[in-house]
Amino acid sequence: SQQGEEDPQALSIQEGENATMNCSYKTSINNLQWYRQNSGRGLVHLILIRSNEREKHSGRLRVTLDTSKKSSSLLITASRAADTASYFCATAGLATSGTYKYIFGTGTRLKVLA
Amino acid sequence: DTGVSQDPRHKITKRGQNVTFRCDPISEHNRLYWYRQTLGQGPEFLTYFQNEAQLEKSRLLSDRFSAERPKGSFSTLEIQRTEQGDSAMYLCASSKGVASGNTIYFGEGSWLTVV
Repeated sequence: SQQGEEDPQALSIQEGENATMNCSYKTSINNLQWYRQNSGRGLVHLILIRSNEREKHSGRLRVTLDTSKKSSSLLITASRAADTASYFCATAGLATSGTYKYIFGTGTRLKVLA
Repeated sequence: DTGVSQDPRHKITKRGQNVTFRCDPISEHNRLYWYRQTLGQGPEFLTYFQNEAQLEKSRLLSDRFSAERPKGSFSTLEIQRTEQGDSAMYLCASSKGVASGNTIYFGEGSWLTVV
């Protein structure tokens, strides 16, 4: 079952605009990661934020984490047509084995129009 | 790093046949994961290994599914007596170390179509 849920499910914006995607999760986490997936391809890691961090930047990406609300957001600034993809959050939660496993959300499908 | 490699990339099989997928993780990554993804959905966790030990299996992994990682290197995922509902992309990923906070790297996936 999915741990996280991204919102919105789909987003369509014009090139140059900012895109914001949200992820909510259910259980305590150690860290949260955002991934990007182009149609029919594997997932590419974008950014990792630990549970003791509130904000992290990487190039045009900004990720925030609010553990009290069990939510995270991914902001892509000055979007480009090449940013068109699905974006997923993945949370590292404690597995029954005592180690961590990553559970993915349902994804946000972003379309950037040129 | 040469990246996570999966083989075959595409497989079409008749219902009832067995299929096997192979995953070669990034060298020295001791964690290896299998996920399944259907159209429009996020990857669903199937199982993961730490070295050669299979630590957890999802309830999604019915008795027809088996995964192995002999010697803690490459892994295979076998599906026996395939059903149409098994049609999906099977993703393999690997990571370094046992602590969380390590990035997991994905392969390009193996597409399975059961006809």
